[in-house]
Amino acid sequence: AQRVTQPEKLLSVFKGAPVELKCNYSYSGSPELFWYVQYSRQRLQLLLRHISRESIKGFTADLNKGETSFHLKKPFAQEEDSAMYYCALVYSGAGSYQLTFGKGTKLSVIP
Amino acid sequence: EAGVTQFPSHSVIEKGQTVTLRCDPISGHDNLYWYRRVMGKEIKFLLHFVKESKQDESGMPNNRFLAERTGGTYSTLKVQPAELEDSGVYFCASSQVPLANYGYTFGSGTRLTVV
Repeated sequence: AQRVTQPEKLLSVFKGAPVELKCNYSYSGSPELFWYVQYSRQRLQLLLRHISRESIKGFTADLNKGETSFHLKKPFAQEEDSAMYYCALVYSGAGSYQLTFGKGTKLSVIP
Repeated sequence: EAGVTQFPSHSVIEKGQTVTLRCDPISGHDNLYWYRRVMGKEIKFLLHFVKESKQDESGMPNNRFLAERTGGTYSTLKVQPAELEDSGVYFCASSQVPLANYGYTFGSGTRLTVV
């Protein structure tokens, strides 16, 4: 069965420090992965997807199939980055495409 | 464009009662999804509508949950009778195309508390 693991429940970093939010996955097929973010009192929103190879708000994530990882990185954390971050895997099942989420990591950026 | 709208935003009900959650997707989005996050657990898929048809309801936990999508527009998720373990946040999402690798647009969620 597919699984997404985010080992850190909470990550605290100082403003200006590098950030790495870890995500590991288990999936027998070809993985499609996303990062979603939920800021305080806001809805869950797509941050980036691995197929786009894009950088959003300074964040990047590289799919490493050898290590089955999709870690989210930012070189210099900002206070406005404080939020819940969810890694998610596209799963094809029962004729539908679903998202399998990790438990999330709460990022706290200390001023 | 209006986003995905869910209401109520919060609901507190007693065990055994019935609750109906509603989701209005983005206009023109044929695909509508329900997910939920139970305390301490992952956000989990419940079901997927394509227009008014249930494409995949493999994530529905049991027959106390009933989802409908009238005329392919808004959707309701009814829990009857509610149990304590149903407490959590219920998310709705919609997309124009069925492939999730384009990403969904999520609603703000309904926080359900069963006491």
